[in-house]
Amino acid sequence: GENVEQHPSTLSVQEGDSAVIKCTYSDSASNYFPWYKQELGKGPQLIIDIRSNVGEKKDQRIAVTLNKTAKHFSLHITETQPEDSAVYFCAASIMGGGSNYKLTFGKGTLLTVNP
Amino acid sequence: DTAVSQTPKYLVTQMGNDKSIKCEQNLGHDTMYWYKQDSKKFLKIMFSYNNKELIINETVPNRFSPKSPDKAHLNLHINSLELGDSAVYFCASSQRPNTGELFFGEGSRLTVL
Repeated sequence: GENVEQHPSTLSVQEGDSAVIKCTYSDSASNYFPWYKQELGKGPQLIIDIRSNVGEKKDQRIAVTLNKTAKHFSLHITETQPEDSAVYFCAASIMGGGSNYKLTFGKGTLLTVNP
Repeated sequence: DTAVSQTPKYLVTQMGNDKSIKCEQNLGHDTMYWYKQDSKKFLKIMFSYNNKELIINETVPNRFSPKSPDKAHLNLHINSLELGDSAVYFCASSQRPNTGELFFGEGSRLTVL
């Protein structure tokens, strides 16, 4: 089955700095890579996703890059703000691969943005 | 208007008891899930239902039994609770199986004493 590794497990940055979280996946058939943000006491929420036919995707201060050859993808947050503090999860799956395929999550990164 | 709602939010109980967590989604989605998040924040899928039919059943003890009375509801019943069952259980839904965004509930924190 799919295995997703995520680094670092914790990340502390100063407000205004950039933050980068990296993930690798094992199944070359995976084609869908979402990122979820989990605030304290809440459920995870999708913030951005990328499909394997695209190398990069941006949404305001958030960007995700994908390297299919190396089987890794990264989340980049620029101009970090205290409200970006949360646990971030990467995930991978085979979209359209059948109902028994599932989203496999990384172990999460606790991002702390210091004012 | 909460999209995915689960109850109760907190549950404290003794070892050996039986408890249930309920989940409802008002998004009109076909697929619902139960995830377990342990103390290290690791999110692991337990079950998935599509239109009331079980489609994913991970290696979970038989003490855990999901039930989907209709596609908007997915409940989780746990028998003979053990200390290791303490975790946050998240319900989620998606439009169809494995087709994109998961919408999560706010979680049910289960503490077994």
